[in-house]
Amino acid sequence: DIVMTQTPLSLSVTPGQPASISCKSSQSLLHSDGKTYLYWYLQKPGQSPQLLIYEVSNRFSGVPDRFSGSGSGTDFTLKISRVEAEDVGIYYCMQSIQLPITFGQGTRLEIK
Amino acid sequence: QVQLVESGGGVVQPGRSLRLSCAASGFTFSSYTMHWVRQAPGKGLEWVTIISFDGRNKYYADSVKGRFTISRDKSKNTLYLQMNSLRAEDTAVYFCARARPEYYYGSGSYYDYWGQGTLVTVSS
Repeated sequence: DIVMTQTPLSLSVTPGQPASISCKSSQSLLHSDGKTYLYWYLQKPGQSPQLLIYEVSNRFSGVPDRFSGSGSGTDFTLKISRVEAEDVGIYYCMQSIQLPITFGQGTRLEIK
Repeated sequence: QVQLVESGGGVVQPGRSLRLSCAASGFTFSSYTMHWVRQAPGKGLEWVTIISFDGRNKYYADSVKGRFTISRDKSKNTLYLQMNSLRAEDTAVYFCARARPEYYYGSGSYYDYWGQGTLVTVSS
């Protein structure tokens, strides 16, 4: 199984400041079709997860442009350019290049 | 609008069975591969199982293989998870999730819609 490792596990950020979360996979997520199957989800308190980023760097419909994803191979990053109060929750990276689908441990974002 | 509504959770003794349902609406259910993902209390997300859009292909996490069975009923637009021989470690909120793209089973799918989850508690 592919192991997904996120750092840090928690973040406390002042509104308006940037935030960054790292995700490393134990195997390359680059598929032979040329796509990289790495995704980012946010689970707000008491809610189901919601998709933020698909295939490393593509924002899902309705996701604010302060969210961006980057990376390749086994190293990936989610950045929030200016954190807002509504961004609190737990962020998960996920891979789907192979079954079983696996998630990172999650990174809890809090507002200072 | 797309809706996924899970039901069937509850408190069950170890070794007993439970069947979860996920009622889908707002989209062509038979066009999408579906998954179950669970989350133990205070823990992260754990993938459980997948069923292809046509119901022909299924795959399970090692932790539930041989005990859980995923199925779907096109006529009822409903996804199921039959859980047998339940263990304390199966205690979790169970989410059903729709996978994109349509008519696809394989690498590179991702979840665009999730249900609100149903809590399963395995305890004596």
